[in-house]
Amino acid sequence: DIVMTQSPDSLAVSLGERATINCKSSQSVLDSSNNKNYLAWYQQRPGQPPKLLIYYTSTRESGVPDRFSGSGSGTDFTLTISSLQAEDVSVYYCQQYYRTPFTFGGGTKVEIK
Amino acid sequence: DVQLVESGGGLVKPGGSLRLSCAASGFRFSYAWMTWVRQAPEKGLEWVARIKSKNNGGTTDYAAPVKDRFTISRDDSTNTLYLEMNSLSTEDTAVYFCTSEYCTNFGCSTKGAYDIWGPGTMVTVSS
Repeated sequence: DIVMTQSPDSLAVSLGERATINCKSSQSVLDSSNNKNYLAWYQQRPGQPPKLLIYYTSTRESGVPDRFSGSGSGTDFTLTISSLQAEDVSVYYCQQYYRTPFTFGGGTKVEIK
Repeated sequence: DVQLVESGGGLVKPGGSLRLSCAASGFRFSYAWMTWVRQAPEKGLEWVARIKSKNNGGTTDYAAPVKDRFTISRDDSTNTLYLEMNSLSTEDTAVYFCTSEYCTNFGCSTKGAYDIWGPGTMVTVSS
């Protein structure tokens, strides 16, 4: 199975400041036939199901604010919130969907400092 | 409205069985590759099982912890996804979500990731 490792486990950021979350996969999730990295990011607020934020590493889901961005390739990926807003307080998960089982990272809890 | 609604959760004793259902509406269920994801209390997300559309063979995949105990199935005539869970242990205690890509009569989104989620149903395994 592909193991997804997120860091940090939690971070506290001041409103308006940048938050950066890292995700590392134990194997490449790059499909060389189409040059796509099969990596998604989800946001989960307490008591809610996850919400898709970004797919194929860097494509924002419709309606997701542009302060959210994704980058990376191969085995190393990053989710950046450029200017943290109060409503961004959540747990964020990366997921690889390159090979089943489609494993998730352990999650990163983002709070306001 | 596009919707997934899980049901069938509850309290079950270790060694027992339970069947979860997920009712889909507002999208072309028969085209969708459907997935169960679970979340133990205060823990992260865990991918459980997936079933492809019948057009893609209807094949199934399972995570190692549930393989040979859980069975995912679908009924396209009623737009319902199922998860049959046997030999349950306390480690199976979790909220179970069903999830999918959005599909229309013209095909499914090509995101690969899950853009439709149900609210989840709680399964508690305890004596």
